[in-house]
Amino acid sequence: RKEVEQDPGPFNVPEGATVAFNCTYSNSASQSFFWYRQDCRKEPKLLMSVYSSGNEDGRFTAQLNRASQYISLLIRDSKLSDSATYLCVVNMRSGNTPLVFGKGTRLSVIA
Amino acid sequence: GAGVSQSPSNKVTEKGKDVELRCDPISGHTALYWYRQSLGQGLEFLIYFQGNSAPDKSGLPSDRFSAERTGGSVSTLTIQRTQQEDSAVYLCASSLDEGYQETQYFGPGTRLLVL
Repeated sequence: RKEVEQDPGPFNVPEGATVAFNCTYSNSASQSFFWYRQDCRKEPKLLMSVYSSGNEDGRFTAQLNRASQYISLLIRDSKLSDSATYLCVVNMRSGNTPLVFGKGTRLSVIA
Repeated sequence: GAGVSQSPSNKVTEKGKDVELRCDPISGHTALYWYRQSLGQGLEFLIYFQGNSAPDKSGLPSDRFSAERTGGSVSTLTIQRTQQEDSAVYLCASSLDEGYQETQYFGPGTRLLVL
């Protein structure tokens, strides 16, 4: 089983749609979790951290299920500017350590 | 403020040549990471520097790869005797030395093409 697995997509959705991405991770001892966004030919940028209680930032909601080793990202009211690749990222240890990245899920929001 | 910078932005080289890639982290960041992203693949960890500690080299794919970090700031990734499979985007990231704040800020990357 790969360390971090994501559905590669692409997800093609109309503007205004709600879309959800899922991610599973293999190491039950993983400490922290993130969603990064990567635009075409650009570097990854942090979208949001994922907390055990779930967290929301505007149209974006992230959830963590430690028992199932599963992370999700929900995007409501999709905008054209949301088109990007969304990377599920796991820190297997605590503190500043290398992150383990999923291969990403590609989202295209269509007018 | 200035973000992470990398140079060159693009590098084309011939198989067998050595290349050096440079990373300037955000000022004050003590942790520095190198990753590699091949076409259609996820990011692959290469090497990690944290302050004055010995670097974590566990991700380096072969002994042709090495990296240094001088003065706790600038880092250079060197690939000797390049092979075509080394073609990828090499990304550098840095983060603050705070255990709870693990956000890694990435540079724009160096696109390496080995012919």
